[in-house]
Amino acid sequence: DGGITQSPKYLFRKEGQNVTLSCEQNLNHDAMYWYRQDPGQGLRLIYYSQIVNDFQKGDIAEGYSVSREKKESFPLTVTSAQKNPTAFYLCASSREGFQPQHFGDGTRLSIL
Amino acid sequence: EDKVVQSPLSLVVHEGDTVTLNCSYEVTNFRSLLWYKQEKKAPTFLFMLTSSGIEKKSGRLSSILDKKELFSILNITATQTGDSAVYLCALTTSGTYKYIFGTGTRLKVLA
Repeated sequence: DGGITQSPKYLFRKEGQNVTLSCEQNLNHDAMYWYRQDPGQGLRLIYYSQIVNDFQKGDIAEGYSVSREKKESFPLTVTSAQKNPTAFYLCASSREGFQPQHFGDGTRLSIL
Repeated sequence: EDKVVQSPLSLVVHEGDTVTLNCSYEVTNFRSLLWYKQEKKAPTFLFMLTSSGIEKKSGRLSSILDKKELFSILNITATQTGDSAVYLCALTTSGTYKYIFGTGTRLKVLA
């Protein structure tokens, strides 16, 4: 079955540490996205990528970095510069930039 | 600035009730409006609307878009406890791959 796989499901970060969240899709979608969801909030866009080797900042990119070396993969690194990283992180993909997005099951990140 | 506002923020109803969720927006170059249901983890797609006045329907759920008044509604009839979730509205605009999400409406259906 085609879909999006995010790992790990839960992640703990120590102060000053960078952590990387994995997102893999086998839907053959060109576009991939990272969102942050805080309690009681909607989805806020961190980064998105329309095509391999290209990505753009979203609304809250500070303290995060991404890469898009393969069509299937769009990992997100939460750097030590992100002072409030505790949140639920969702990865999504879409065939085109107006079609329905498919979402992974998310990674919940907490600070130790 | 492009904006999506959902109302109400939360709603508690009893099984069998009908609910109407609202999504109003201000965007330039509208392309599509999408509704999602989020229970615990991944949002799941419900409807995509691109044309005004055409109702999309799936079982007890239906949605319609009014491009003149800049809003969409999601109706759920004969609600069930399984309808309890956060319902998200998102918009896309021409010329960008960004999706703009509202804050969602949290629906709780009591048995």
